[in-house]
Amino acid sequence: GAGVSQSPRYKVAKRGQDVALRCDPISGHVSLFWYQQALGQGPEFLTYFQNEAQLDKSGLPSDRFFAERPEGSVSTLKIQRTQQEDSAVYLCASSGHPNFSSYNEQFFGPGTRLTVL
Amino acid sequence: RKEVEQDPGPFNVPEGATVAFNCTYSNSASQSFFWYRQDCRKEPKLLMSVYSSGNEDGRFTAQLNRASQYISLLIRDSKLSDSATYLCVVNSMGNTDKLIFGTGTRLQVFP
Repeated sequence: GAGVSQSPRYKVAKRGQDVALRCDPISGHVSLFWYQQALGQGPEFLTYFQNEAQLDKSGLPSDRFFAERPEGSVSTLKIQRTQQEDSAVYLCASSGHPNFSSYNEQFFGPGTRLTVL
Repeated sequence: RKEVEQDPGPFNVPEGATVAFNCTYSNSASQSFFWYRQDCRKEPKLLMSVYSSGNEDGRFTAQLNRASQYISLLIRDSKLSDSATYLCVVNSMGNTDKLIFGTGTRLQVFP
């Protein structure tokens, strides 16, 4: 079956350029997460959507980072005026409806590897 | 101090060896615990959940000690295919359900 897909898989940007990264979650999944994974590190939480509502954006590193999910399915992570420190793999994950009594497994996409020159 | 800490390794072990990974977490309110596996240049995938009672899945055994805020993973009879990075993960649940990852421990199994 179709898992989480992300595009592009690789993106090279010149410093100062804007980029947009796309995530297609598993169909019907309510929750969508973005994580940033720097080289040699574990993924770090950026932001969370429940349907179209962005309920947590506490992990976004600066106001250059913006995420949206206008129709509650596809999500876009936008980075404005990219800097070299933005170079990382950006992972998207989706899961079913949050259930406060148990954990809903998050399924990860393959990631977008962003390199800022 | 990172919220989830683990030894980055690498752990280099021969096939058939038993290897153990540990991690500690700082938020005592954490409610769920996991080990994820990440192959080189791939996405993380859930290996197993971790419970206080301990749980086993084939050659893999995970254990949680809430009092010490300590999580472990034991791999018996290592296979070449076990070579990967093992991520210790904590989920605080509540409104967000976000995952907090450790840095990962790299395992290399050699013939």
